[in-house]
Amino acid sequence: EAQVTQNPRYLITVTGKKLTVTCSQNMNHEYMSWYRQDPGLGLRQIYYSMNVEVTDKGDVPEGYKVSRKEKRNFPLILESPSPNQTSLYFCASSLSVRGTDTQYFGPGTRLTVL
Amino acid sequence: AQKVTQAQTEISVVEKEDVTLDCVYETRDTTYYLFWYKQPPSGELVFLIRRNSFDEQNEISGRYSWNFQKSTSSFNFTITASQVVDSAVYFCALSRGGTSYGKLTFGQGTILTVHP
Repeated sequence: EAQVTQNPRYLITVTGKKLTVTCSQNMNHEYMSWYRQDPGLGLRQIYYSMNVEVTDKGDVPEGYKVSRKEKRNFPLILESPSPNQTSLYFCASSLSVRGTDTQYFGPGTRLTVL
Repeated sequence: AQKVTQAQTEISVVEKEDVTLDCVYETRDTTYYLFWYKQPPSGELVFLIRRNSFDEQNEISGRYSWNFQKSTSSFNFTITASQVVDSAVYFCALSRGGTSYGKLTFGQGTILTVHP
């Protein structure tokens, strides 16, 4: 089944404790990205990747890191989480950036930073 | 800069009523794409429709229909004969053409509640 998976789905952590949220897709997609969803703000892009070893900042990259060492995986790293990073996080992927491509979203990761 | 505005924060209707969700966008691009996503209570994002800026034809899919009007920069979504299962948060989104296609600019979302 074609899908985007994220782990963990729920995470409660404390300020300053490094964490990684994994994202994996099995559709051989080139483009992957991370969004965060906050009430009243919709979803905002954090980072994106056009292909392996090619990443760039989105609208709200502060406090996050990413890497793209393999085509299927695009982990989101919070090296020193803070309470303002409490949010619902979505990973997304699409075959490329052609206008005919659909972006598929993962199920979301709900992160709470105490 | 691109912007998407969904002025209706919450809408409440009774089953079988028709409901229209408004979406107004801002962009300076001539090539762009508009989307609607549904987020049910379970939290996942479900893709509903994509429209490119060169195709102003309205679209109907079952009880769902979309009205794209470039003259008013609007891409409104109507649910006919609403059902309880339509209760969800609905997001309108916009992306640019070319290599920036992948970045979606989302509206704030409209919470739709359909009462039995």
